[in-house]
Amino acid sequence: KNEVEQSPQNLTAQEGEFITINCSYSVGISALHWLQQHPGGGIVSLFMLSSGKKKHGRLIATINIQEKHSSLHITASHPRDSAVYICAVFRRSYIPTFGRGTSLIVHP
Amino acid sequence: GAVVSQHPSRVICKSGTSVKIECRSLDFQATTMFWYRQFPKQSLMLMATSNEGSKATYEQGVEKDKFLINHASLTLSTLTVTSAHPEDSSFYICSAQLQQGVNSPLHFGNGTRLTVT
Repeated sequence: KNEVEQSPQNLTAQEGEFITINCSYSVGISALHWLQQHPGGGIVSLFMLSSGKKKHGRLIATINIQEKHSSLHITASHPRDSAVYICAVFRRSYIPTFGRGTSLIVHP
Repeated sequence: GAVVSQHPSRVICKSGTSVKIECRSLDFQATTMFWYRQFPKQSLMLMATSNEGSKATYEQGVEKDKFLINHASLTLSTLTVTSAHPEDSSFYICSAQLQQGVNSPLHFGNGTRLTVT
C-alpha cells in the first residue's frame, strides 16, 4: 500500500464546477505539498502546508493532521486548470513521498 | 519566484551511448537538488538526493554507476545516464531547494524526456 493515497485518480468536470481532490497518508508528517504537473511535464508547487488552510486565488488547500488527510479545492474551475495534481508529504527528513496524482480535465 | 532550468527538454539517443541532463537554479543557490524518474501514468520516483560538494545519496534500487550525479556548484547538478538502454527511456525531472528542510519549497525543472533507441 502506498504511503500516500490520492483520490480520485481521474476527474472530469465542466467549467465553473467546484472540484475537490483528496490526499490521505499513513505516516506522521512534518509538511505536505500540493503540486501541479502540466501536460508538458513541468511541475509547479501550489501549496506547502503543515496545518490549517491556505488560499491562493481560486485554489484552497486544507490539512487535518489528526486525520492524516488533506484536500485541494478549486473554485470556479477553468479549462486551464486541467493538469495532474500531486500530493507530496515530508516525514521528519527532507525526502518527499509522492502520491500517484489526480488527472483533472475541465471541459469548457 | 525561484526558477529551475532543466536541459535538454527532449533527447533521443542510441543504445550504448551516454546522455547528460543539466539542472540549474537560475536565481537562487540550491543546497539540495533531487532527481526523479516518472513512468507514464505513474508518480514521481525519487532517484537520488544531491548536495553540493558531496556525493549523491541514491535511493534503493537505483544504480549509482548507471545514473551518475554531480553537484559541482550551488546552482548546477547533472545527471548522466551511462550506457543507455531502451528501458532507461523515461521522463526525468529535477527539483531544487533553497535550503534543506521540510518547510522549504520545492522548485522543479520542466523535465527531460529521454528516448533510447
